[in-house]
Amino acid sequence: KNQVEQSPQSLIILEGKNCTLQCNYTVSPFSNLRWYKQDTGRGPVSLTIMTFSENTKSNGRYTATLDADTKQSSLHITASQLSDSASYICVVRSAGSQGNLIFGKGTKLSVKP
Amino acid sequence: NAGVTQTPKFQVLKTGQSMTLQCAQDMNHNSMYWYRQDPGMGLRLIYYSASEGTTDKGEVPNGYNVSRLNKREFSLRLESAAPSQTSVYFCASSVLPTVAGGSPLHFGNGTRLTVT
Repeated sequence: KNQVEQSPQSLIILEGKNCTLQCNYTVSPFSNLRWYKQDTGRGPVSLTIMTFSENTKSNGRYTATLDADTKQSSLHITASQLSDSASYICVVRSAGSQGNLIFGKGTKLSVKP
Repeated sequence: NAGVTQTPKFQVLKTGQSMTLQCAQDMNHNSMYWYRQDPGMGLRLIYYSASEGTTDKGEVPNGYNVSRLNKREFSLRLESAAPSQTSVYFCASSVLPTVAGGSPLHFGNGTRLTVT
């Protein structure tokens, strides 16, 4: 069964600290993996996409990694800011005929001053 | 540039009432989607429209109907609301359908629906 598991479920860090969010998937065949940021009361917004051939990609203070062999991805946030408080959702696209998207449940990050 | 606009933002219904959730996008995207988001669960696809004139069922279509009114607008109708349909509903759009590859989804800000 295609599944996406994210950890931790929630995380509290102090402003200025770094953190890493994890995403493990069992989706096969794999097409791509995307990280979304969802602020409270808003819709998700795409942060970055990882394809099979990509290991690391940065978007400002966000760095995503992908290990297609172990089917793991991480999102590292550097020098966190209060505005990073949000839920982060990992979404994996299957390369099957329907191109289904499988959503993780998200990690809720709280950055405290 | 509004992106994806959903109305209403909040709604309370009694069991058995009907309502239509409206969604419009101004990005000239071909594909549109309706998702629901419940606590402790990932987003689940209700219906989608890969292109104007087509609609298909997603993972959880029971109790819902959709209409792709034109390229911009995609509505979701609850004919007889049930408490199990209490949720946050998100409309999204993308340049290409998910079957075609890596277009990101652009989401609206949701409709928070409570059915009592």
